[in-house]
Amino acid sequence: KAGVTQTPRYLIKTRGQQVTLSCSPISGHRSVSWYQQTPGQGLQFLFEYFSETQRNKGNFPGRFSGRQFSNSRSEMNVSTLELGDSALYLCASSLAPSGLPYEQYFGPGTRLTVT
Amino acid sequence: AQTVTQSQPEMSVQEAETVTLSCTYDTSESNYYLFWYKQPPSRQMILVIRQEAYKQQNATENRFSVNFQKAAKSFSLKISDSQLGDTAMYFCAFMNAGDYGGATNKLIFGTGTLLAVQP
Repeated sequence: KAGVTQTPRYLIKTRGQQVTLSCSPISGHRSVSWYQQTPGQGLQFLFEYFSETQRNKGNFPGRFSGRQFSNSRSEMNVSTLELGDSALYLCASSLAPSGLPYEQYFGPGTRLTVT
Repeated sequence: AQTVTQSQPEMSVQEAETVTLSCTYDTSESNYYLFWYKQPPSRQMILVIRQEAYKQQNATENRFSVNFQKAAKSFSLKISDSQLGDTAMYFCAFMNAGDYGGATNKLIFGTGTLLAVQP
């Protein structure tokens, strides 16, 4: 079974631009979560989608948004990029809510650099 | 709000020896899950072991085992017979199991412990 895939793997953007990151979950997984990883703040939860609905959202500004499609693929968007948005963005998929015990499988991440 | 604390930023162990990574957490919830994730230099996060809070028996996965002390809110990871491939950042994580199907997959991570296995 193929793992979680994220595209692109690396991205360089300029302040003020917007960016869209994509995540394809493991086949059969219906939950997708997004995390931001930075040296200063560590791993922080962004949001979770299940069946095209946002189930939970972390403490991030409205510039961060996401969506999930009917095939469970998810995208996250960051508008008006700031230097502090430079991070590794990780996507994780899960069978949830019926899966036990909600094991999540992570993708390789997208390294976003904002200049 | 739940918090996860890993007090050891870095640790080093000789190959074939045993090492224990510490993790404490704070929560008022009674039903939750705890995890240890490994993030090697290649960056892909991998689940090492998981523990359901309602289970008293400590989880074990081959060379990896945990010491789960619910009253003390402690969840340490023991790696036996350390191998060079165990070199990675290890994250302790908490997930609230929720009530009546209301659980989500939100993981709260600690700051991580960088483990170096020396030959």
